[in-house]
Amino acid sequence: QKEVEQNSGPLSVPEGAIASLNCTYSDRGSQSFFWYRQYSGKSPELIMFIYSNGDKEDGRFTAQLNKASQYVSLLIRDSQPSDSATYLCAGADNNAGNMLTFGGGTRLMVKP
Amino acid sequence: EAQVTQNPRYLITVTGKKLTVTCSQNMNHEYMSWYRQDPGLGLRQIYYSMNVEVTDKGDVPEGYKVSRKEKRNFPLILESPSPNQTSLYFCASSSLPSGTGNEKLFFGSGTQLSVL
Repeated sequence: QKEVEQNSGPLSVPEGAIASLNCTYSDRGSQSFFWYRQYSGKSPELIMFIYSNGDKEDGRFTAQLNKASQYVSLLIRDSQPSDSATYLCAGADNNAGNMLTFGGGTRLMVKP
Repeated sequence: EAQVTQNPRYLITVTGKKLTVTCSQNMNHEYMSWYRQDPGLGLRQIYYSMNVEVTDKGDVPEGYKVSRKEKRNFPLILESPSPNQTSLYFCASSSLPSGTGNEKLFFGSGTQLSVL
């Protein structure tokens, strides 16, 4: 059973702070990882993907992957109230049809 | 505009009354999938399809049926709905199953189903 685990939160941070969202996975075959943002009542939208160990930066967002520790994280710098949403972590096993396994999501609240 | 169209947006029904949730994409994607989302459980895959006439079970297929007679359409059928199928449902499509690299998953707007 492949599992992707996330703390459900809510994670509350003040505006302008760094929000750190974490995700662990059990399947060592997972090779690609994705972060989706989901506003309340809306569909998920892709923020970032990462498949190499290390950091990947895109604007205020940085994804981090550590395959040895089976750990993925998303950092949001200069957090804004508009970042308040649920963040879903997902892993894909390229050798198993690339099917995505989603975590339960972490709810982020950025307070003005 | 590239999109996945899902209908209806909201549906209230009673136990045992057959229903269909439609899903259509206009991007010529080969891969389509259905997910259900319940609080704290994230998105769980119900069924997926790699191409026309090719469907397979996901993690939670019990109580659901799908068909892929045309590339653009992938309806979800509940033959005899039960209250435990009350959930938020999403259809998604992509060129590749995981949205590998820049090929992201496109999601429909969701269907909130309540089975009384």
